[in-house]
Amino acid sequence: GAGVSQSPSNKVTEKGKDVELRCDPISGHTALYWYRQSLGQGLEFLIYFQGNSAPDKSGLPSDRFSAERTGGSVSTLTIQRTQQEDSAVYLCASSRHPQPENTEAFFGQGTRLTVV
Amino acid sequence: KNQVEQSPQSLIILEGKNCTLQCNYTVSPFSNLRWYKQDTGRGPVSLTIMTFSENTKSNGRYTATLDADTKQSSLHITASQLSDSASYICVVRGSNDYKLSFGAGTTVTVRA
Repeated sequence: GAGVSQSPSNKVTEKGKDVELRCDPISGHTALYWYRQSLGQGLEFLIYFQGNSAPDKSGLPSDRFSAERTGGSVSTLTIQRTQQEDSAVYLCASSRHPQPENTEAFFGQGTRLTVV
Repeated sequence: KNQVEQSPQSLIILEGKNCTLQCNYTVSPFSNLRWYKQDTGRGPVSLTIMTFSENTKSNGRYTATLDADTKQSSLHITASQLSDSASYICVVRGSNDYKLSFGAGTTVTVRA
């Protein structure tokens, strides 16, 4: 597609349920990022994928969060046993290989997750 | 502590007026700084990129400045329009570091 696509755009789930968020990056982009944006807060880094390298999971807030990227393209962020504090907008971004350093990251429209 | 601080948190201006947004960062070593515009319900979109050697750069009515010595950047919006109402996010990248550091953003509201 022409841009980064995320689905669903909105998700309301009950506390304790599992959710899966999907990201389709721009074709050919090897780098993929997940960020979380809570109300009134800046974007919080969650996880980074680059090609076939091991992902950088250092931003995942707890072991309830996991992500995978199949075939170097589509990525899924999974949140198990959701809690109310997980409510946020989850943004995905992709870019060509991170070098050169001025490579631009393109963002999807985000998935707004509400845990009730 | 966030490595990118933005001010003000929000501002309201009348259509046609100018405004300036501030970004201070501590990311080091520094590679580049981008200003993104995020419309409500949309993902951020890059407005401009500043590298270490650049002091000022314009993109239409948007002008960004960078002082790499003091680690400060500003985004000036000239002759504001209603469509400028959005969140403006400062994003800093360190050298040899793929992670991006985001500010919390400044919410700009332009009123007729």
